[in-house]
Amino acid sequence: GAGVSQSPRYKVAKRGQDVALRCDPISGHVSLFWYQQALGQGPEFLTYFQNEAQLDKSGLPSDRFFAERPEGSVSTLKIQRTQQEDSAVYLCASSLGRTEHRGGQYFGPGTRLTVL
Amino acid sequence: AQSVTQLDSQVPVFEEAPVELRCNYSSSVSVYLFWYVQYPNQGLQLLLKYLSGSTLVKGINGFEAEFNKSQTSFHLRKPSVHISDTAEYFCAVSFPASGGSYIPTFGRGTSLIVHP
Repeated sequence: GAGVSQSPRYKVAKRGQDVALRCDPISGHVSLFWYQQALGQGPEFLTYFQNEAQLDKSGLPSDRFFAERPEGSVSTLKIQRTQQEDSAVYLCASSLGRTEHRGGQYFGPGTRLTVL
Repeated sequence: AQSVTQLDSQVPVFEEAPVELRCNYSSSVSVYLFWYVQYPNQGLQLLLKYLSGSTLVKGINGFEAEFNKSQTSFHLRKPSVHISDTAEYFCAVSFPASGGSYIPTFGRGTSLIVHP
């Protein structure tokens, strides 16, 4: 496709369930970012990949959050034992270069996670 | 601490009037600056960016922004707004992180509401 896609678009989970969120970046894009956006807030950085290497995961809020990009294209963000405070929109963005500041980022539509 | 502040959570304006959306940041090192727009039910889209050079940058849809290093500001302006400019606007600043990467920090967003 032409843009960044994310699936599912909406996810409802019971507290304690594990969830997996998928991101398909633009083909050929080297860098991939995950963000968490709470209601009424701006996106907050979670983690960053350059190809398959996870270069920065300083934004992951706890060890329940795990992200991977094993072949340097599709990425999955996994949240274990979900809690209500995990409810948010999870955004994925990709950029062509090794550092996002040159080209800017292309964002997907997001996955809205609701934890009951 | 590094931070990004969007001073106005909501800016109402009449169609064809000028508008300025304010963004300030705190940093003692060089940064890269961006404005993104999010239309209802759509993903974030890059409006414009400042990397270096001329402090006045022009973006899409008639928007422009001016980087002021002494005031650590990057305000977004448009001389005449349209109804279609109604959207959420996010200022983002990329701060240097470990390993030579740059990690974006977003402001909380400003909701621009254009009235006929």
